[in-house]
Amino acid sequence: DAGVTQSPTHLIKTRGQQVTLRCSPKSGHDTVSWYQQALGQGPQFIFQYYEEEERQRGNFPDRFSGHQFPNYSSELNVNALLLGDSALYLCASSYGKELFFGEGSRLTVL
Amino acid sequence: AQSVSQHNHHVILSEAASLELGCNYSYGGTVNLFWYVQYPGQHLQLLLKYFSGDPLVKGIKGFEAEFIKSKFSFNLRKPSVQWSDTAEYFCAVNAHSNYQLIWGAGTKLIIKP
Repeated sequence: DAGVTQSPTHLIKTRGQQVTLRCSPKSGHDTVSWYQQALGQGPQFIFQYYEEEERQRGNFPDRFSGHQFPNYSSELNVNALLLGDSALYLCASSYGKELFFGEGSRLTVL
Repeated sequence: AQSVSQHNHHVILSEAASLELGCNYSYGGTVNLFWYVQYPGQHLQLLLKYFSGDPLVKGIKGFEAEFIKSKFSFNLRKPSVQWSDTAEYFCAVNAHSNYQLIWGAGTKLIIKP
């Protein structure tokens, strides 16, 4: 049973560029959440998708957007990258209250 | 706003020592409580969770946690740690009405063999 898979695992971008991160949820899970984890900190909630709609959003600017597809996979898009967007981006899937995490996509913005 | 506080950022113990990691949260309503663990090079994994009922919950690998509502605490314990418990431990909370998990900053635990 495949767990949560994320791609790419690492990427480097420059300021002002745009990035798309992808997530395939665990089999049977219909909900995908995205978190940002800066170095030395706990994850911060970006948003959650359910039934292809953003169900809840954290305190992140509109530069952060997402999408969920009919097969429950999801994308996180970040526009106009800033140095401060450098972080580990975690995708978590769920069917209920428990989250299952992928290994993350580490984004470095230069 | 909700917040989660983990008291120790780094803990170093010898094998067979007892472990207690503190977690306090700020929210007056009903909450779900979680401890996640991240072993070196691996993804976050659920260690244990509390939704309701018995405030003493048991998780994987001999870990347990006690929810003390009056103290807004959910401390993680293990009576005898092993070298393989070296990892980073995160406490997380969400309100029953909220999908957002609020996380502590994590505690890096190092077990000396």
